Amino acid sequence: DTEVTQTPKHLVMGMTNKKSLKCEQHMGHRAMYWYKQKAKKPPELMFVYSYEKLSINESVPSRFSPECPNSSLLNLHLHALQPEDSALYLCASSQGTGNEKLFFGSGTQLSVL
Amino acid sequence: GDSVTQMEGPVTLSEEAFLTINCTYTATGYPSLFWYVQYPGEGLQLLLKATKADDKGSNKGFEATYRKETTSFHLEKGSVQVSDSAVYFCALSKGGFKTIFGAGTRLFVKA
Repeated sequence: DTEVTQTPKHLVMGMTNKKSLKCEQHMGHRAMYWYKQKAKKPPELMFVYSYEKLSINESVPSRFSPECPNSSLLNLHLHALQPEDSALYLCASSQGTGNEKLFFGSGTQLSVL
Repeated sequence: GDSVTQMEGPVTLSEEAFLTINCTYTATGYPSLFWYVQYPGEGLQLLLKATKADDKGSNKGFEATYRKETTSFHLEKGSVQVSDSAVYFCALSKGGFKTIFGAGTRLFVKA
């Protein structure tokens, strides 16, 4: 199994809503990532978990809250988002040794109204 | 700081044409270099990689050679197909968990 699975594929939410994005991998990877991708732009790193501990937070606003319940799961909790947060949110994983290829999910297309 | 520069797109080619997408990088040390491809409505997937100078990465007819003297990693394919239409990202990694992506080059292949 070489897949990273993300749910939901599409999400529309209001600025007062709370929602969560989910990501799962069963490749035994020990590093998991959240990226944000705006249209026609490259992915931008948000968070990295290594061995279930938050390793990198790229100064992301607190309305985005990551969680890594176990080595296979990664969540991104969303609260009080702004319309400019509308984007494709990509989860990725890697073996965990660094300097290595990333395996991406298909993403969640988020629209904030 | 480290960076990746790709040729601007979109690139439009006819089927069976030769493809080159230029990529140059700026980095200290010895980065690993990657090409990722993103098809419409999907995430990125690794196309090929090279980890040291003069390495050639290849996959699905695509090739790229790590040229340290010119700090380049140009992507080539001898004969493109309509199904190759996608966005191609050149990227580098120097260890740790940060991958630096280029801006992406959109490729359209006409039948």
